[in-house]
Amino acid sequence: AQRVTQPEKLLSVFKGAPVELKCNYSYSGSPELFWYVQYSRQRLQLLLRHISRESIKGFTADLNKGETSFHLKKPFAQEEDSAMYYCALSGYSGGYQKVTFGTGTKLQVIP
Amino acid sequence: ETGVTQTPRHLVMGMTNKKSLKCEQHLGHNAMYWYKQSAKKPLELMFVYNFKEQTENNSVPSRFSPECPNSSHLFLHLHTLQPEDSALYLCASGDSSGNTIYFGEGSWLTVV
Repeated sequence: AQRVTQPEKLLSVFKGAPVELKCNYSYSGSPELFWYVQYSRQRLQLLLRHISRESIKGFTADLNKGETSFHLKKPFAQEEDSAMYYCALSGYSGGYQKVTFGTGTKLQVIP
Repeated sequence: ETGVTQTPRHLVMGMTNKKSLKCEQHLGHNAMYWYKQSAKKPLELMFVYNFKEQTENNSVPSRFSPECPNSSHLFLHLHTLQPEDSALYLCASGDSSGNTIYFGEGSWLTVV
């Protein structure tokens, strides 16, 4: 079974403060991890994936297999970062690739 | 444009009505998904189809009936819904490797 846990429903930070959105996963194989973002009144969209090791809009996420975590970080929060963030895991289940999402964390950046 | 289109964008229906939500993708993907998004449960998987076969039903009540006639189209047939079914219904598609999935803008459903 695969599971994704995002322990925080809401994270409020001041503009310019560092941000860390937590994500932990459970999966017996080698997972692929993603972060998706949903801005107000917009569709859910991919923010970044661990295999790309990229930085998008200043966000980075490192896969830590020892701690089974994939936390999303940004050193200085901006107001436009306010959105709903979902961590997702892609793995095999029943012979098919399956994507499992966490319950999401709402990031609120206070001006 | 991400290639996943949902219609209608907004739907108001009575509890005795029968309506359908439609999803279409032009990305050549083989997997399609229905999710429900509400204030109570931010993102709840409902159904998954791979190569037109239903591979997952996440204990969804039978008043929701999915249909996948081909890899490009996915429907969600709605019948005798309850007010608590009011939510945003999201369609998504992914390739057979299942990595990145792409979402539609969603259909806002209000049951009165």
